[in-house]
Amino acid sequence: QKEVEQDPGPLSVPEGAIVSLNCTYSNSAFQYFMWYRQYSRKGPELLMYTYSSGNKEDGRFTAQVDKSSKYISLFIRDSQPSDSATYLCAMSERDKLVFGAGTILRVKS
Amino acid sequence: IAGITQAPTSQILAAGRRMTLRCTQDMRHNAMYWYRQDLGLGLRLIHYSNTAGTTGKGEVPDGYSVSRANTDDFPLTLASAVPSQTSVYFCASSMRGHRGDRNNEQFFGPGTRLTVL
Repeated sequence: QKEVEQDPGPLSVPEGAIVSLNCTYSNSAFQYFMWYRQYSRKGPELLMYTYSSGNKEDGRFTAQVDKSSKYISLFIRDSQPSDSATYLCAMSERDKLVFGAGTILRVKS
Repeated sequence: IAGITQAPTSQILAAGRRMTLRCTQDMRHNAMYWYRQDLGLGLRLIHYSNTAGTTGKGEVPDGYSVSRANTDDFPLTLASAVPSQTSVYFCASSMRGHRGDRNNEQFFGPGTRLTVL
């Protein structure tokens, strides 16, 4: 079993929709939770960073961590075609950083 | 330059050949990393370096070697390429070497697409 599971999609939504992206994990030692966004043929870039459980909001993006369920989510409100990308979750503890496989998101105009 | 640069952008290589992927950063970051990205498997760490002069093995190190002679450069060498090394390779860097540290964002380069035939 992978330490981090992420549905690869693709997820296709109309412009303006609310998008929910999710990851589950098995290692209860993970403390830091991140979402990276990767545009086609580009390197990943950090989008959101959360420590421990709770919510963090940044503009149209909300990251949510539920450590009791070992489940993290990224919500995108009012999705735009420019949000079309691959979204990778990542989580870390001590000297270890593990990425999910990434979910491909397509926002149709 | 600003950030991380990688070369070449893409390469087609015959099996058995030696190949070095280049990575340079100008952010004076202590730590650098090499990942490979494969469909369905995500990013997997090949090798890392927490500071100039030191290197360590990641999750999938076999068939690859690295060196870190200075802060800025972190080349990845495939001594004898095999088709299973066909992948997209990303170099990354972060301020500190401990990947689990808070606010220790990793910055990624644009990637090198390598095909081994």
